[in-house]
Amino acid sequence: DTGVSQDPRHKITKRGQNVTFRCDPISEHNRLYWYRQTLGQGPEFLTYFQNEAQLEKSRLLSDRFSAERPKGSFSTLEIQRTEQGDSAMYLCASSFSFEPQHFGDGTRLSIL
Amino acid sequence: EDQVTQSPEALRLQEGESSSLNCSYTVSGLRGLFWYRQDPGKGPEFLFTLYSAGEEKEKERLKATLTKKESFLHITAPKPEDSATYLCAVRYNSNSNSGYALNFGKGTSLLVTP
Repeated sequence: DTGVSQDPRHKITKRGQNVTFRCDPISEHNRLYWYRQTLGQGPEFLTYFQNEAQLEKSRLLSDRFSAERPKGSFSTLEIQRTEQGDSAMYLCASSFSFEPQHFGDGTRLSIL
Repeated sequence: EDQVTQSPEALRLQEGESSSLNCSYTVSGLRGLFWYRQDPGKGPEFLFTLYSAGEEKEKERLKATLTKKESFLHITAPKPEDSATYLCAVRYNSNSNSGYALNFGKGTSLLVTP
């Protein structure tokens, strides 16, 4: 069963460094979403792609964050000049059209 | 202002003790209400989608219902393996929301003891 795959599962980095996460969606899904989840909270929406087009960005997505989905397949989320407040679980989800979103197991980011 | 509120925050049940989790929402233009289960260190796992008031969905010991203002997740005769955080989310259209993103509550942490 090929669900949503995220890599790495854990990332520890020093404040000020850049990090990049990868998400491989379910193959037939045309929509891909990024969320961020902190302890005790529900996931918060960051951005959304339909195929290769980034159609929506949350105000949570500061200028230090950038996401891409080249060729409408896998996606990357990059955080530049990481800050302590960026520590969170970064979740990727995919769906076909408006069908339910299916989530990966996330990348846990820890900023030292 | 929270658009999705879940209660209780935490719930401890004995095995076999049925109960309900609540999800209330304040959005208009609802395009779907979703229930997910999340185990520690894992991503949310999809359970149900409800679209209109009066709709019900069932899966094993779980039953989800929807009214115009809230949804309930009923757990009948729970087992320890039902222990998890249950998340509710809504998708809606508004002038400032395109209807693609899910808006989650904070979840209910359920512990079922033997």
